[in-house]
Amino acid sequence: DAGVIQSPRHEVTEMGQEVTLRCKPISGHDYLFWYRQTMMRGLELLIYFNNNVPIDDSGMPEDRFSAKMPNASFSTLKIQPSEPRDSAVYFCASSLQQAITGELFFGEGSRLTVL
Amino acid sequence: AQTVTQSQPEMSVQEAETVTLSCTYDTSESDYYLFWYKQPPSRQMILVIRQEAYKQQNATENRFSVNFQKAAKSFSLKISDSQLGDAAMYFCAYRSAETGANNLFFGTGTRLTVIP
Repeated sequence: DAGVIQSPRHEVTEMGQEVTLRCKPISGHDYLFWYRQTMMRGLELLIYFNNNVPIDDSGMPEDRFSAKMPNASFSTLKIQPSEPRDSAVYFCASSLQQAITGELFFGEGSRLTVL
Repeated sequence: AQTVTQSQPEMSVQEAETVTLSCTYDTSESDYYLFWYKQPPSRQMILVIRQEAYKQQNATENRFSVNFQKAAKSFSLKISDSQLGDAAMYFCAYRSAETGANNLFFGTGTRLTVIP
């Protein structure tokens, strides 16, 4: 299996622009997670989906952030408009139903820089 | 909410020596998973080792082993025969095994340096 695939690997944009991050989970996984990693706050959960349905979005910072999962093999995280404080590494992760292994498999992350 | 605490922001070890990274967690649940993830400079999060709370036996994976103390809510990682490739950030993480709680809670990480 190719693992969790994220794109782009790096994104540099200017404040006010729209940013879309993409994720392809491991085939057959039921759960998909979006995490953000910063020096100040560490790894924090933004949102997660179960069978394409958003379950917990309480970590989404504000209305500028939105996430979708139109099908089992694709998810997006959109920031509109972007701000410098959104600069971070964004990770996507997927897993099977937790009763089996509990493990999350992570993508390589998308490093976002907002100027 | 569950919390995971790593009290050692940085650690160093001589190559071939043994090092232990500490982790404590707070939960009222009885069934859960604990993990150690490694994040090298490439930033990929790599699972090092996993422990199911219902198992009393400590997990081991080659040079990596854990000391799981459920009553004390402690989950330390021991790396034996340290290698240069072990240099990375190490994150302790907690995940509930109970219905309706699926998030993975991370500690703040410990940066491990391996000295040649």
